[in-house]
Amino acid sequence: GEDVEQSLFLSVREGDSSVINCTYTDSSSTYLYWYKQEPGAGLQLLTYIFSNMDMKQDQRLTVLLNKKDKHLSLRIADTQTGDSAIYFCAESRNNAGNMLTFGGGTRLMVKP
Amino acid sequence: DVKVTQSSRYLVKRTGEKVFLECVQDMDHENMFWYRQDPGLGLRLIYFSYDVKMKEKGDIPEGYSVSREKKERFSLILESASTNQTSMYLCASRGQTLAKNIQYFGAGTRLSVL
Repeated sequence: GEDVEQSLFLSVREGDSSVINCTYTDSSSTYLYWYKQEPGAGLQLLTYIFSNMDMKQDQRLTVLLNKKDKHLSLRIADTQTGDSAIYFCAESRNNAGNMLTFGGGTRLMVKP
Repeated sequence: DVKVTQSSRYLVKRTGEKVFLECVQDMDHENMFWYRQDPGLGLRLIYFSYDVKMKEKGDIPEGYSVSREKKERFSLILESASTNQTSMYLCASRGQTLAKNIQYFGAGTRLSVL
């Protein structure tokens, strides 16, 4: 069945790069997503990547997709204290697109 | 700006009570979703609706029902609340364009069942 896995916790120092990793199992996924959840808030879409792409860059964010290994990563350059949040990886289950499968979330803590 | 509003941020209920969680979106989206979020488990889909009066079970529908009488409103109902339904509940909506499948989320309702 579908499964999306992430490590639970990551701690970095302000100014360093953060890399959050995710593995998924459904090779038919068309889109993969990164959502951010700040304390007490809902999820906010950060970025997404289409499955025929290897990389997508958007300002401080770089998404890398290794489709062969079913591995997705989110790199945040020059991490700031405002980046402290929970980051969720998600995949579309099929082209009908009504269902997303979410990972368990990675809590990023940025130390000053 | 996209807006999904959940009527309550925090709710405390007693075991056996009937509980209604309300969600309203102002984007004229066809699709709406209810998830529950538990630490380490991520978001799990309870129910979704792709049109007024239409609903589909998600991964964990047991103990829940939903109602979609109007396009903008999607309600989650706990017929008889139990302590294992203590959780954060998130509502989301999505338009009909399938290509990107971007869901927009409300701020969440944290429900405690005592």
